[in-house]
Amino acid sequence: EPEVTQTPSHQVTQMGQEVILRCVPISNHLYFYWYRQILGQKVEFLVSFYNNEISEKSEIFDDQFSVERPDGSNFTLKIRSTKLEDSAMYFCASSEGQGVGEAFFGQGTRLTVV
Amino acid sequence: AQTVTQSQPEMSVQEAETVTLSCTYDTSESDYYLFWYKQPPSRQMILVIRQEAYKQQNATENRFSVNFQKAAKSFSLKISDSQLGDAAMYFCAYRSVNNAGNMLTFGGGTRLMVKP
Repeated sequence: EPEVTQTPSHQVTQMGQEVILRCVPISNHLYFYWYRQILGQKVEFLVSFYNNEISEKSEIFDDQFSVERPDGSNFTLKIRSTKLEDSAMYFCASSEGQGVGEAFFGQGTRLTVV
Repeated sequence: AQTVTQSQPEMSVQEAETVTLSCTYDTSESDYYLFWYKQPPSRQMILVIRQEAYKQQNATENRFSVNFQKAAKSFSLKISDSQLGDAAMYFCAYRSVNNAGNMLTFGGGTRLMVKP
């Protein structure tokens, strides 16, 4: 069964450092997303990406964040200068397109900023 | 903006019994999609069931069914014959039909415990 894969599963970084979280969406999917979940809180939308550009982003997704699809398979989230409050679980997801089709989620990357 | 509310932070159920998790949402739209996702201790989000707002018939998937009350903006999840493997966080989510970004708006979650 096709799945969304994320690497690494856990990343520890120093405050102020740049991190790149990586995702390989399902191959025939057209929409890609990043969500985050601060421990004990709800899952929050960060950004959606379609046709090689951002289609929507939330207030959380400020200038410190960027996304990229550097090749035909990877989808990355970069945080330029990490803050303590960026510590969270980051989920990548993908979906076929519009409509009721579900978003398939990866297993998440736990980011710890120290 | 749409909001999703899950009023039960925790629920428990005896194995083999039935439990209902509540979800309400606020929207001005007439067409949208609703989902229940399960998040086990592994933290991965797994789709349990989905409902299109234009469909009056409640969705069912094996032991999982929903009670969709559009006028009341309510979307509860019923789990029948609960199993130990059902223990997880359950998130209700909303997605607009018209939203170009296809984003999901999640509720705060309900932790379901299953007692043997």
